[in-house]
Amino acid sequence: GAVVSQHPSWVICKSGTSVKIECRSLDFQATTMFWYRQFPKQSLMLMATSNEGSKATYEQGVEKDKFLINHASLTLSTLTVTSAHPEDSSFYICSARFGRPNQPQHFGDGTRLSIL
Amino acid sequence: QKEVEQNSGPLSVPEGAIASLNCTYSDRGSQSFFWYRQYSGKSPELIMSIYSNGDKEDGRFTAQLNKASQYVSLLIRDSQPSDSATYLCAPEGNTGRRALTFGSGTRLQVQP
Repeated sequence: GAVVSQHPSWVICKSGTSVKIECRSLDFQATTMFWYRQFPKQSLMLMATSNEGSKATYEQGVEKDKFLINHASLTLSTLTVTSAHPEDSSFYICSARFGRPNQPQHFGDGTRLSIL
Repeated sequence: QKEVEQNSGPLSVPEGAIASLNCTYSDRGSQSFFWYRQYSGKSPELIMSIYSNGDKEDGRFTAQLNKASQYVSLLIRDSQPSDSATYLCAPEGNTGRRALTFGSGTRLQVQP
């Protein structure tokens, strides 16, 4: 099956630090990648959608200057949480989808971010 | 606002029984539907996809779709303790980026 690799698995850092999370599709070219955030006991909330070579589309309420997304190639998207604060602590999950119709999203293993 | 409704559970079934998970959605434009399983502390993994009205079977799993009623379900036959997880229903929007809208999920507990 399709494999999506996400790195790092977990990050603990001090408030004010910027953190970069990588999402790679290993065995297919992902025309679209998605970034989600999940707080404890809640469902996944879509943060943004990125397509290779174009600007990301952010969901309402998500600060694009705080959550920088780069989708430089068909196999790599990155999310940078800039100047992270404790309220940014969450489980961040990426997914990737091949461009043909009726293709599901395949999820990475997620990154658990803890800001002290 | 697009909504997906699922009973949060927990749904408790004995080992070997059939677990029935239900989902209703509000976006009539949705054409593709997915069921994901999420273990505690892990990311979602794809269980089933369904695109046409009716039933679709894959091993112990059967997905059912009724677009007129805006209803999707997942049946798990011969439930195993390893099936204990949260099951997420996710219709896909049919415009633009075709994003998924996730329900809050149904927590399934299979009792040995």
